[in-house]
Amino acid sequence: EVQLVDSGGGLVQPGGSLRLSCAASGFTVSSNYMAWVRQAPGKGLQWVAIIYAGGTTYYADSVKGRFTISRDNSKNTVYLQMNSLRAEDTAVYYCARDLWGFGFDHWGQGTLVTVSS
Amino acid sequence: DIQMTQSPSTLSASVGDRVTITCRASQSIDKWLAWYQQKPGKAPKLLIYRASDLQTGVPFRFSGSGSGTDFTLTISSLQPDDFATYYCQQYDTYYSFGQGTKLEIK
Repeated sequence: EVQLVDSGGGLVQPGGSLRLSCAASGFTVSSNYMAWVRQAPGKGLQWVAIIYAGGTTYYADSVKGRFTISRDNSKNTVYLQMNSLRAEDTAVYYCARDLWGFGFDHWGQGTLVTVSS
Repeated sequence: DIQMTQSPSTLSASVGDRVTITCRASQSIDKWLAWYQQKPGKAPKLLIYRASDLQTGVPFRFSGSGSGTDFTLTISSLQPDDFATYYCQQYDTYYSFGQGTKLEIK
């Protein structure tokens, strides 16, 4: 069974850093496209970052240069390193498997990041 | 960036109704469009991919159509479990979502 478990969220001050984790089971992250999507309180969905099977990464303009997506194949886990955090980064962060051409077919349960002093 | 615009933002309907949600892309995305359902406090759930293909396990009352810039999601006969928020997503060039359509009980 495919499962994604998100963790690492919490309260952080503006300018601070946080690393989110997405532990996968039932499939191999290194053979798939993996994405992070966020949702600010009461708002819609926003794509944040993607890592392709070959390792290429892309980012939304709003996080480019501040966030880094990566993976640890030995742990079958995807990460989102978030630096220089701003109040507007406050959101629930979801990881998702991008079955390319077939949409984001599995999602984690989400982890809440709150940026506030 | 490709902008996705959904309408309406809110839709009030009754059990048994047929409802349609539309999604328009700011440029052609061929058929690279997905639809998701999200309930409060839960992760989104994939319903439709490639504009009209039904994800495994999704009831047949859900259907999608369109190509290019104009797309629709139709629920043929609303069930109590269908009241939720629906999002379209393009994946032609990177990814972007519509702002969402909240389907409420009338």
